[in-house]
Amino acid sequence: KAGVTQTPRYLIKTRGQQVTLSCSPISGHRSVSWYQQTPGQGLQFLFEYFSETQRNKGNFPGRFSGRQFSNSRSEMNVSTLELGDSALYLCASSDLYNTEAFFGQGTRLTVV
Amino acid sequence: QQPVQSPQAVILREGEDAVINCSSSKALYSVHWYRQKHGEAPVFLMILLKGGEQKGHEKISASFNEKKQQSSLYLTASQLSYSGTYFCGTGIQGAQKLVFGQGTRLTINP
Repeated sequence: KAGVTQTPRYLIKTRGQQVTLSCSPISGHRSVSWYQQTPGQGLQFLFEYFSETQRNKGNFPGRFSGRQFSNSRSEMNVSTLELGDSALYLCASSDLYNTEAFFGQGTRLTVV
Repeated sequence: QQPVQSPQAVILREGEDAVINCSSSKALYSVHWYRQKHGEAPVFLMILLKGGEQKGHEKISASFNEKKQQSSLYLTASQLSYSGTYFCGTGIQGAQKLVFGQGTRLTINP
């Protein structure tokens, strides 16, 4: 069974630009969660999608948004990038029972 | 509210035991433990549910004390492969939305 796939693995963007990250969950998983990981703040929950609907949201500004498609693939968008958005963005998928989150390798975003 | 992990870092020799604690100021419904090696994705170790259930995984086990709102991860006879950062995540909705602690960096030396 293929794992969670995130693309791209690395990105360098300039302040003010926008970026879109992609996540393909494990086949059959309908829940996709996004996390931001930084050395200072650790792993912080961004939002979670289930069957194309945002079901949970963390405490991030509106510049962070996401969506989920009918095949459960999810995208995360960050607009008007700031230097502080530099981080490892992880997505995780889980099945119907929500007991285990399977993480992807992450996308390392650097804002310069 | 983010759970608090202790210690923040620990260095052991191979074969020694370690305990990592995770405390929350909020009522715990489930505690999820993950290990992340440098440059890799966090990997699920175990989940503990309300009721004080103790789960095991190889030589790694954990406990969940509802009264104290605390979970502890026990690593017995540690191996070099145990090195990494351990995170506890708490959730009231399973794995959909986890609030993670700051992590405990574990280094195992030969």
